[in-house]
Order: sequence, then C-alpha cells, then structure tokens
Amino acid sequence: QQQVKQSPQSLIVQKGGISIINCAYENTAFDYFPWYQQFPGKGPALLIAIRPDVSEKKEGRFTISFNKSAKQFSLHIMDSQPGDSATYFCAAYDYKLTFGKGTLLTVNP
Amino acid sequence: NAGVTQTPKFRILKIGQSMTLQCTQDMNHNYMYWYRQDPGMGLKLIYYSVGAGITDKGEVPNGYNVSRSTTEDFPLRLELAAPSQTSVYFCASSLGNTIYFGEGSWLTVV
Repeated sequence: QQQVKQSPQSLIVQKGGISIINCAYENTAFDYFPWYQQFPGKGPALLIAIRPDVSEKKEGRFTISFNKSAKQFSLHIMDSQPGDSATYFCAAYDYKLTFGKGTLLTVNP
Repeated sequence: NAGVTQTPKFRILKIGQSMTLQCTQDMNHNYMYWYRQDPGMGLKLIYYSVGAGITDKGEVPNGYNVSRSTTEDFPLRLELAAPSQTSVYFCASSLGNTIYFGEGSWLTVV
C-alpha cells in the first residue's frame, strides 16, 4: 500500500514557466509534509515544508498548497530556472518520513 | 560542520559477502534512519532508531541489520549480499521533524 502518491513521474517545463507537482496521502496521522530536492549523486535536501493546519506556505519561488480535507498537497515552482532541474520528492512525517516516488523535473533554457 | 557522514561512498560486493555501511552524525540527534533508493521508487525505510540502544524495522528490513550503541553512530550491516540489494543507501538523522540526509553510499552486488 503506497501511503504517499506523487505525480507526475517526470515534467518538462520551459524557463520562466510554472512547475507543479502533486501528492496525495492516506494516513491522517501524518503531521508534517516536506518537499525534498535531489541533484544527481547527492542526498535529498529539504526544500520547503508545511504543517496540516496551514493551507499555503511560500518561500521565494517555491510554494506549497495544502488541502487537508482532500489529503492532497502540491509544490509550485514559479519562474522555473534550469538550475531547478532535479528530482523532487514529497514526503509525509509521523516520526519517520514516507516518500513519494519522485518527479524528475527538467527546465529547458 | 560535517552533519551526516556515510562511508564508503562506493562499493562493489560479491553475492554472499557481508559488509557494513557506516554512518555518523555530529548534531546530537536522537533519531537516525537508513533508507534505500531505487530508480523510480523513491526512498524506502530500512531501519530506524529513536536513541542509543533502540532500533526498529522499517518498510524493507529483510537482509539487513543495525545497531545503535552511541548517539552518533548507526551502522547498517548487510549479511549474505544479494543482487536485489544493489541500491543507493542514505543515512539520515533528525531532531524533531526536520530530517537531514547524508550524501549516500552506492552499493553494487555482482
């Protein structure tokens, strides 16, 4: 049973465009929802995170939207840049992280 | 400011051999984790520890063992390596809900 479902599997966006990655979860015990960014050959690094009592969190070009009733959350990357090309993982936390399968984002110049 | 350090970075192992992946953190975190990452599958939890002397199984523990004798160290042992254990292994630690990952260990079993 996959507890955190992530889509799309891959995404190609033009420079300056908006990248949107979606996740859905099942376990209502999750109480923290981070997004991780991973570059090839590196470990995942925390990008941005949100708690379920907040509907939106913005940090620079990155925004998380959270819908508690639908058990869904999404990452929006505004003004996408080639340097944003990486794999993005959503995750859900209940003393450990459960990850989605990842989205490979490619931003074309 | 080392954070989470894993060794070795790369290793080729023959079927049936055993080895230990080392992990140490200098942030005095109580929680430590081992994840494996396979292409297109995200990261799956192998084992975790909530403090020295306490360990518990994650989602995919078969074929692995861990110990936690100190707060800093959380080694992962592979017994009788199998090709299915070819993967990238990440150690992580946390204080609260922010989890920090090491750089990864690439393991190939042939």
